[in-house]
Amino acid sequence: QQQVKQSPQSLIVQKGGISIINCAYENTAFDYFPWYQQFPGKGPALLIAIRPDVSEKKEGRFTISFNKSAKQFSLHIMDSQPGDSATYFCAANFMNTGFQKLVFGTGTRLLVSP
Amino acid sequence: NAGVTQTPKFRVLKTGQSMTLLCAQDMNHEYMYWYRQDPGMGLRLIHYSVGEGTTAKGEVPDGYNVSRLKKQNFLLGLESAAPSQTSVYFCASSYPLYRYQETQYFGPGTRLLVL
Repeated sequence: QQQVKQSPQSLIVQKGGISIINCAYENTAFDYFPWYQQFPGKGPALLIAIRPDVSEKKEGRFTISFNKSAKQFSLHIMDSQPGDSATYFCAANFMNTGFQKLVFGTGTRLLVSP
Repeated sequence: NAGVTQTPKFRVLKTGQSMTLLCAQDMNHEYMYWYRQDPGMGLRLIHYSVGEGTTAKGEVPDGYNVSRLKKQNFLLGLESAAPSQTSVYFCASSYPLYRYQETQYFGPGTRLLVL
């Protein structure tokens, strides 16, 4: 199954709080899990990514937690700021006929209130 | 570097009209992609190209054609536009993939409305 299920669809967090977005997958052939951030009117941009042999990756306030056995991964945004308000997409990478493809989740619209 | 650029930014079409969306990248990337983004459906791959002169179908290719005559350009064509093709279209590009180094660089998008 080449799908990535993402939740929640939308999220409102107060400034300084923790934002958590979850994703789940079925295909064990997925081998790389990036998160993309998209601001209104812009294209998505890579935010952070993790390999399946690592359980956690942290870059500044952004952390990916990866649970290989449960086939789940999540994005945590610590000390959320109004500037973090954007749509976040999880994705999973797999090899298909010699070409690596990304499968995207459906996106989470995050609003951080001042 | 301009990165990935798309033209036009916005277009309104009538059902049955045709148009071409242009994507250009100045990063010397081999791979290029066209996605459509619809509310609640994320990004879905329409067509992609692994190099100049080669194209392949993605997840939702029906109603679209593509061409990659030059390495830096990737064109998406709609031969006979339908209201179901109302969407935001994103072009992206990436290097030939080295394991765990896949990063796709996206353009700013083209908003298409088909009446």
